[in-house]
Amino acid sequence: AQSVTQLGSHVSVSEGALVLLRCNYSSSVPPYLFWYVQYPNQGLQLLLKYTSAATLVKGINGFEAEFKKSETSFHLTKPSAHMSDAAEYFCAVSDFGGNYRRSQGNLIFGKGTKLSVKP
Amino acid sequence: DSGVTQTPKHLITATGQRVTLRCSPRSGDLSVYWYQQSLDQGLQFLIQYYNGEERAKGNILERFSAQQFPDLHSELNLSSLELGDSALYFCASSVGGGGVYNEQFFGPGTRLTVL
Repeated sequence: AQSVTQLGSHVSVSEGALVLLRCNYSSSVPPYLFWYVQYPNQGLQLLLKYTSAATLVKGINGFEAEFKKSETSFHLTKPSAHMSDAAEYFCAVSDFGGNYRRSQGNLIFGKGTKLSVKP
Repeated sequence: DSGVTQTPKHLITATGQRVTLRCSPRSGDLSVYWYQQSLDQGLQFLIQYYNGEERAKGNILERFSAQQFPDLHSELNLSSLELGDSALYFCASSVGGGGVYNEQFFGPGTRLTVL
């Protein structure tokens, strides 16, 4: 079975500061990991995904995440926060169900981390 | 704009009632997924259809049902509604039914309020 845990339901940073949002996963098979962003009153938008190619994954809007198998982590970072980054961020893992060779397609989400950016 | 459309945007109804939420996937996508987002449960997977057939089931209540039609749009039916069913319901679509390149695109959601 797969699961993800996001540490910190709220993170607040100053504009221009480093953004670090934490995600740890649990998976009995090599995981496919995703970060999504949800702006107020909107749907989810994919930021980036890890699918066992490069361990450092670059996404949209200057975000990147590093897959660390030894730490079972997939933390999201951005060097310099912008006011427009204020949103809720979700880490997700692809659900393999009972099939250890192929994901069944749906995602298992963490509880989310709300990012606030102070001017 | 993800290309996934959901109607209605908002729905207010009473306990015991039945409602239908509609989703149109992106052009070319064969899979549709339904998720429920609530404050206490977070984002939970409900059910997936691929090319008209049920592919995977998550935490979907027996009072809820879904189907995918030949034109690939999907409907989620919620019946005997309870206060706890109030939530944001998202539809997502993807080209395939699973696998590593199965990126999902989310619609804007339907906010259901049960009074």
